[in-house]
Amino acid sequence: EVQLVESGGGLIQPGGSLRLSCAASGFTVSSSYMSWVRQAPGKGLEWVSVIYSGGDTHYAESVEGRFTISRDSSKNTAHLQMDSLRAEDTAVYYCAREMEDAFDLWGQGTMVTVSS
Amino acid sequence: DIQMTQSPSTLSASVGDRVTITCRASQSLNNWVAWYQQKPGKAPKLLIYKASSLESGVPSRFSGSGSGTEFTLTITSLQPDDFATYYCQQYKWDMYTFGQGTKLEIK
Repeated sequence: EVQLVESGGGLIQPGGSLRLSCAASGFTVSSSYMSWVRQAPGKGLEWVSVIYSGGDTHYAESVEGRFTISRDSSKNTAHLQMDSLRAEDTAVYYCAREMEDAFDLWGQGTMVTVSS
Repeated sequence: DIQMTQSPSTLSASVGDRVTITCRASQSLNNWVAWYQQKPGKAPKLLIYKASSLESGVPSRFSGSGSGTEFTLTITSLQPDDFATYYCQQYKWDMYTFGQGTKLEIK
């Protein structure tokens, strides 16, 4: 079955770090474009970061310099390292696969709460 | 950054109605526009990609059109399962932007 499963969310204090994981099955992460998209409580969708099949990475301005996207081919998993977390980073974080410039496969999401 | 202005923000309609949601881009796009449906507590679901291509398994009552800076999602003959929130999304210059969403409510 083709699917994405996120993990690693939780409650973290402002300034702290968290690493999210996105385990893929049914396709190869390293051959795909993989993104992270977040949704703050009661708000809309916000794209966060992408890693291309060639390894290039790009970030939204709101997380540039604080978040790092990566992948582990041996585990068929994508990661999002989140440092210097702020209250405004509180959201459900989804990983998604991109095909034809659209996100055709999404995980179930993992909640990140930044609060003291 | 390219902004996507989606309208209306809320839409009330009845089962069987035809509805249209519009997204306007702040710059001309090369038709890399997608539409998603999201229900509470669930991940978004892809409906339309490349402005007008229907994702596999999506009912044909959903259609997309547009070019340049204006894109539309049309749902003909609304079904009870269609009441949800809809988002447009663009891709250009290694950046992705979503519209702010349209909540489709039962009248």
